[in-house]
Amino acid sequence: EDQVTQSPEALRLQEGESSSLNCSYTVSGLRGLFWYRQDPGKGPEFLFTLYSAGEEKEKERLKATLTKKESFLHITAPKPEDSATYLCALPSAGATNKLIFGTGTLLAVQP
Amino acid sequence: KAGVTQTPRYLIKTRGQQVTLSCSPISGHRSVSWYQQTPGQGLQFLFEYFSETQRNKGNFPGRFSGRQFSNSRSEMNVSTLELGDSALYLCASSFRDTYTEAFFGQGTRLTVV
Repeated sequence: EDQVTQSPEALRLQEGESSSLNCSYTVSGLRGLFWYRQDPGKGPEFLFTLYSAGEEKEKERLKATLTKKESFLHITAPKPEDSATYLCALPSAGATNKLIFGTGTLLAVQP
Repeated sequence: KAGVTQTPRYLIKTRGQQVTLSCSPISGHRSVSWYQQTPGQGLQFLFEYFSETQRNKGNFPGRFSGRQFSNSRSEMNVSTLELGDSALYLCASSFRDTYTEAFFGQGTRLTVV
């Protein structure tokens, strides 16, 4: 069965203190991996799609990378506005757009 | 391009009542999925529709149902509401038919009292 595990559950950083979030997965065949950002009470906002090991995507202070077993979301010099829950998700097998989500990492960036 | 629109944003219902939530996907997207999000369970898949056909259903009781119309708009219905149905209900739309990113609406916050 496909599974997604995110760590840590929560992370507190000082403004400017870089770090990484982890998303480990077990899947019968990688069909892509998605990163989302979610603010309290709102829907997840799409960030990145990664399809193959070695692929990297960047957006402002965020950089997502992918290996055969895990993905990392690197946050460089974060700002308080980067505070949110970050979710990773895998597409389920079969003819579907069903996504399997991890439980997320709650990031708090303090000024 | 307008995003995914969900209505209403907030809803308060009494146990035993039923509720209908609405979702308008991004123009051109034919795939619509629904998720339930609670603090304890995270994002749980409810069902997915593509071109008016339900392709996949999550592990939820039959009280949860949905449908998709010819214009790709979707509705979900929950009958005989229980306190445990209180959650954020999220709708997402996708452009391709499989293995593609989903774009979410702002959700409907349902509170059952």
